[in-house]
Amino acid sequence: DADVTQTPRNRITKTGKRIMLECSQTKGHDRMYWYRQDPGLGLRLIYYSFDVKDINKGEISDGYSVSRQAQAKFSLSLESAIPNQTALYFCATSETSGRPYEQYFGPGTRLTVT
Amino acid sequence: ILNVEQSPQSLHVQEGDSTNFTCSFPSSNFYALHWYRWETAKSPEALFVMTLNGDEKKKGRISATLNTKEGYSYLYIKGSQPEDSATYLCAFIGGTYKYIFGTGTRLKVLA
Repeated sequence: DADVTQTPRNRITKTGKRIMLECSQTKGHDRMYWYRQDPGLGLRLIYYSFDVKDINKGEISDGYSVSRQAQAKFSLSLESAIPNQTALYFCATSETSGRPYEQYFGPGTRLTVT
Repeated sequence: ILNVEQSPQSLHVQEGDSTNFTCSFPSSNFYALHWYRWETAKSPEALFVMTLNGDEKKKGRISATLNTKEGYSYLYIKGSQPEDSATYLCAFIGGTYKYIFGTGTRLKVLA
């Protein structure tokens, strides 16, 4: 079983709809991240969380919100989806303890907003 | 805004060729530099975690060097094979522990 899972894997939604992307991990990591990937732009950080009570905005947080329901779960919401939020979304985790451990990525969610 | 740049954006090499690409990052407030390998339709996977100026890491035919004073890292692939075809991402980690990714170098190894 995958250590970092994302649901759904693919989603097509209409402009204005609310949508939630979910991420779960079994790695026991405290730190979790949401990224979006657009062609030619690499991975851009949306939100990150260092523990359940610590949530921080990344470089492109406008139009998104997150919820850290438990150590293992980190959800990303689009309150009112717009077409330029069409992208590939990745969740990632990393260990804590102050060292810059590598990130472990989920399989990605391909979101299309029409 | 911190900038992490990778070059070239893409390259094609013949099987057996050796190749290298560059990641440039801010030379101040450095904490770590990561390299990831990202195959099509899969998720990025970590290759190297580098933290010290002068670090050299090696995994099989792939190696990386780090120069934090001038703000660059090189990734080398010796004797490229078709299975090396992927996008190679670097990520700069500064003092705030945020990961800033470059746009990647897309490598295609032709058989």
